[in-house]
Amino acid sequence: QITLKESGPTLVKPTQTLTLTCALSGFSLSTSGVGVGWIRQPPGKALEWLALIYWDDDKRYSPSLNSRLTITKDTSKNQVVLTMTNMDPVDTATYFCAHRRAETGAFDIWGQGTMVTVS
Amino acid sequence: SYELTQPLSVSVALGQTASIICGGNNIGSKSVHWYQQKPGQAPVLVIYRDTNRPSGIPERFSGSTSGNTATLTISRAQAGDEADYYCQVWASSIGVFGTGTKVTVL
Repeated sequence: QITLKESGPTLVKPTQTLTLTCALSGFSLSTSGVGVGWIRQPPGKALEWLALIYWDDDKRYSPSLNSRLTITKDTSKNQVVLTMTNMDPVDTATYFCAHRRAETGAFDIWGQGTMVTVS
Repeated sequence: SYELTQPLSVSVALGQTASIICGGNNIGSKSVHWYQQKPGQAPVLVIYRDTNRPSGIPERFSGSTSGNTATLTISRAQAGDEADYYCQVWASSIGVFGTGTKVTVL
């Protein structure tokens, strides 16, 4: 059974760097074709795709946030880490990580999300 | 950058059919995925690659694409289908979500 769980600070100050961890279970990010993505959702607003990392360490970023984001994986710990620099109150959101299935390209399993407030 | 546009809201009578539109330039040439999100919960995949249902998703959910439009159809709508729905594609390997549609079952 595939599960993902996000963790990180619930409150950060403006200009600080946010570091979020996604703990993976039930699959390995070393398996060919697998990807893990980060998606966020400000309160009452739509989903916004942030970043994706593949099993082969290929990485993709949202063009609008590219300069602030870094996604990495630690296969030995089975986790994915997202860092976002220069946080601003508009970055207040629930941050989700999700499993991208190789065969379909869809995010078929999502973590529960973690709420981050910038203030 | 690529954009996906959805109506803000759709209402459907209990037991009737709801259609949720997702508009994007030549979206018919891409694989479209649809997610359902209920308040306070993470999104759930309901349709992948335009027309396919993951296991556990009722047959009442179906998808189609053509030209510049993708459509999620909910047949025989139930109270439990009330949620926000998002379309999603990959455009030049970048993820793009639609603006989201709130479905209300009357």
